[in-house]
Amino acid sequence: QLQLQESGPGLVKPSETLSLTCTVSGGSISSSSYYWGWIRQPPGKGLEWIGSIYYSGSTYYNPSLKSRVTISVDTSKNQFSLKLSSVTAADTAVYYCARTYYDILTHYGMDVWGQGTTVTVSS
Amino acid sequence: SYVLTQPPSVSVAPGQTARITCGGNNIGSKSVHWYQQKPGQAPVLVVYDDSDRPSGIPERFSGSNSGNTATLTISRVEAGDEADYYCQVWDSSSFYVFGTGTKVTVL
Repeated sequence: QLQLQESGPGLVKPSETLSLTCTVSGGSISSSSYYWGWIRQPPGKGLEWIGSIYYSGSTYYNPSLKSRVTISVDTSKNQFSLKLSSVTAADTAVYYCARTYYDILTHYGMDVWGQGTTVTVSS
Repeated sequence: SYVLTQPPSVSVAPGQTARITCGGNNIGSKSVHWYQQKPGQAPVLVVYDDSDRPSGIPERFSGSNSGNTATLTISRVEAGDEADYYCQVWDSSSFYVFGTGTKVTVL
């Protein structure tokens, strides 16, 4: 059974870079037809997609965050990572990683999610 | 950017039917997915591609999509269905877009 697990610092200082890793177990990140993504949820608010990556390195980023986001993949470790630069208090959120199936028509629902990790931006 | 609008809240009595709408420009031309999120938990996909259910999701959850509105219908509502629900689509310009979310309260 495929599982995703987020890891990284729970506290980041303002203006610094937030770095998180999602480890995939029970399956291969190199499986064709899947994108691997990051989604966040500020306290008491809705879901916001951050970006997604294919095992080949092809990426999509949320246009509103694109200037600060980098997502990378390490197939040898079965992991993908998120870096969000110049963080502020507004970046405080629960960060989730998730898998999405896609084909030539569209990208489908996110069918497997990590449990989420809370990141607080504060000095 | 593509925007999906949901009602903030829906209330329903046990055993009745809850309908949650998701409005977007010509959303009927897109594939819509729905998630259930309970407090302190990660979202769970309950409907994908407008009306399909992942394995393990009860038949009480169904979806439809036409014109400018997609709808998630929960039949024979149970106390355990109380949660936040989000719609989501793929848009060629905005990519992955989530709706604003709807809190379902079981009276």
